[in-house]
Amino acid sequence: AQSVTQLGSHVSVSEGALVLLRCNYSSSVPPYLFWYVQYPNQGLQLLLKYTSAATLVKGINGFEAEFKKSETSFHLTKPSAHMSDAAEYFCAVSDLLTGGGNKLTFGTGTQLKVEL
Amino acid sequence: KAGVTQTPRYLIKTRGQQVTLSCSPISGHRSVSWYQQTPGQGLQFLFEYFSETQRNKGNFPGRFSGRQFSNSRSEMNVSTLELGDSALYLCASRLTGEAFFGQGTRLTVV
Repeated sequence: AQSVTQLGSHVSVSEGALVLLRCNYSSSVPPYLFWYVQYPNQGLQLLLKYTSAATLVKGINGFEAEFKKSETSFHLTKPSAHMSDAAEYFCAVSDLLTGGGNKLTFGTGTQLKVEL
Repeated sequence: KAGVTQTPRYLIKTRGQQVTLSCSPISGHRSVSWYQQTPGQGLQFLFEYFSETQRNKGNFPGRFSGRQFSNSRSEMNVSTLELGDSALYLCASRLTGEAFFGQGTRLTVV
């Protein structure tokens, strides 16, 4: 089974500073990887996805992530944090199942705090 | 295009009762999956439905069940509720690629 590990359950940055949220995956085959964001009492919103087309993936709200096979990583970055970026971020890997469908396996999440 | 709609948004139930949650996927999406989110266990896969058939199931007891209708709308049912079933239940619909999530149903069991 595939898995993802998110390092750092809480990350705090100053407004305008670089955001770096870490995700490492474990997969025996080329994975499909995703980053989702969750605001309080809301569902999950897709930020970006990696599907092997390009290693640098650009998403919404200025976020991007780079797929590094040699490091089995898919870290999420944003050059300049904004107060509205404060939320919980989840890295996920898509698992193809024998029944023909798939499921997402999520990391434990990283709570991002943005300070003035 | 309307997103994934889950109803109700909030529910309070008593131990031992049963509950039904509803999910309407994005138009044209035939795959609907359900996830449970709790502070202790995080996000866990419950099951996936495709064309009215349960295609995959996560590691949950038989008290958790679901179904999908011909219009792709899905319901999940939890019988004999336990305190530990208190969670945010998320539904996701998918066409061929990424999954799109609804706002979730917050279930509180008292």
